[in-house]
Amino acid sequence: GAGVSQSPSNKVTEKGKDVELRCDPISGHTALYWYRQSLGQGLEFLIYFQGNSAPDKSGLPSDRFSAERTGGSVSTLTIQRTQQEDSAVYLCASSLATGTYEQYFGPGTRLTVT
Amino acid sequence: GENVEQHPSTLSVQEGDSAVIKCTYSDSASNYFPWYKQELGKRPQLIIDIRSNVGEKKDQRIAVTLNKTAKHFSLHITETQPEDSAVYFCAAESNNDMRFGAGTRLTVKP
Repeated sequence: GAGVSQSPSNKVTEKGKDVELRCDPISGHTALYWYRQSLGQGLEFLIYFQGNSAPDKSGLPSDRFSAERTGGSVSTLTIQRTQQEDSAVYLCASSLATGTYEQYFGPGTRLTVT
Repeated sequence: GENVEQHPSTLSVQEGDSAVIKCTYSDSASNYFPWYKQELGKRPQLIIDIRSNVGEKKDQRIAVTLNKTAKHFSLHITETQPEDSAVYFCAAESNNDMRFGAGTRLTVKP
């Protein structure tokens, strides 16, 4: 079956511009996570959504980052006024629910801010 | 919140040897500990997990141990093969919040 998909796969943007990254989770998965992975680094938690509950935004690095999940399915991560330090791979994952369920990762979006 | 530390950051072993990666966590309420493998340029994938009600779990050449008292857990890979070369991430879940370690880059030399 279809896995988690993300778009675009690559995004190059100029410093100061806004970008939107999209994640399509596996159908039926109620939990959705966003992570950031800088080159050669670990997975930095950004935000997660569980069903219709308010998202846990505790990992967002600044107020330039925001995310929404419409209809409990597709999610969009928005970065406003991008900075060079935002350059990284942004990974989305989904699971049946939060907690003790395997997370299935998407292929990621490689963001480069020039 | 939960804090997960992972060691070593890099590990190089000879094919056939064993590899051990260790993680510690801070939140005693954590009850689920998955391990993910990320091959170069690919997405992380779950390889094994353990819940807090058991101390050890094994799947072929891979095993994970958990010490809840000491708040640490380890990944053991025996008879390593070149295809085991990847970055391995541990994670700990607490109150529906999953936090990952920084990763270990394992290189298996043929």
